[in-house]
Amino acid sequence: GQQVMQIPQYQHVQEGEDFTTYCNSSTTLSNIQWYKQRPGGHPVFLIQLVKSGEVKKQKRLTFQFGEAKKNSSLHITATQTTDVGTYFCAGLTGTYKYIFGTGTRLKVLA
Amino acid sequence: NAGVTQTPKFRILKIGQSMTLQCTQDMNHNYMYWYRQDPGMGLKLIYYSVGAGITDKGEVPNGYNVSRSTTEDFPLRLELAAPSQTSVYFCASSYSDRGLNEQFFGPGTRLTVL
Repeated sequence: GQQVMQIPQYQHVQEGEDFTTYCNSSTTLSNIQWYKQRPGGHPVFLIQLVKSGEVKKQKRLTFQFGEAKKNSSLHITATQTTDVGTYFCAGLTGTYKYIFGTGTRLKVLA
Repeated sequence: NAGVTQTPKFRILKIGQSMTLQCTQDMNHNYMYWYRQDPGMGLKLIYYSVGAGITDKGEVPNGYNVSRSTTEDFPLRLELAAPSQTSVYFCASSYSDRGLNEQFFGPGTRLTVL
């Protein structure tokens, strides 16, 4: 079946270091969303990418959608302790169904 | 607006028992979703609805049923609880006009089946 994989599964960084998580789909996606889930919390929407090769920035976060619309990345510059959590991508594969990635758990060491 | 609300927050069931997880949204969203999240894992889509009276299966529908009689409510029914259904259940809603369809999640229901 359709799968969306994320790497790495875990990442520990020192505060101030950069962080990147990668999302890869087995099929072409209509769009991709990114969510952040704090420990014990629920997923919170960060951004949606639609166009091939699209790049969007939100302060220290940079999101990219691959040219083939099968992969995406999230890069955080100069991580802070508030960035701690699990980051999920979610790809739109059909008309209404989103397939969530496996997630990358980020831990920031002060 | 309360957003997406879910009840109960926690529940322990015995094997074979039944229960309904409630989900309500007050944002007049047409799309609603049920996901389950096993410990340390991603979210798996159970069922979804694109409007009142319309539901469809997601990735992992076995053992669950849903109904959507109103725009606001999307209850999830477990008929014969099994230990494999121990998980955190999230309800979400979104409004889509083929543009941005950000999903808003409820706080979740933590279910344990013993």
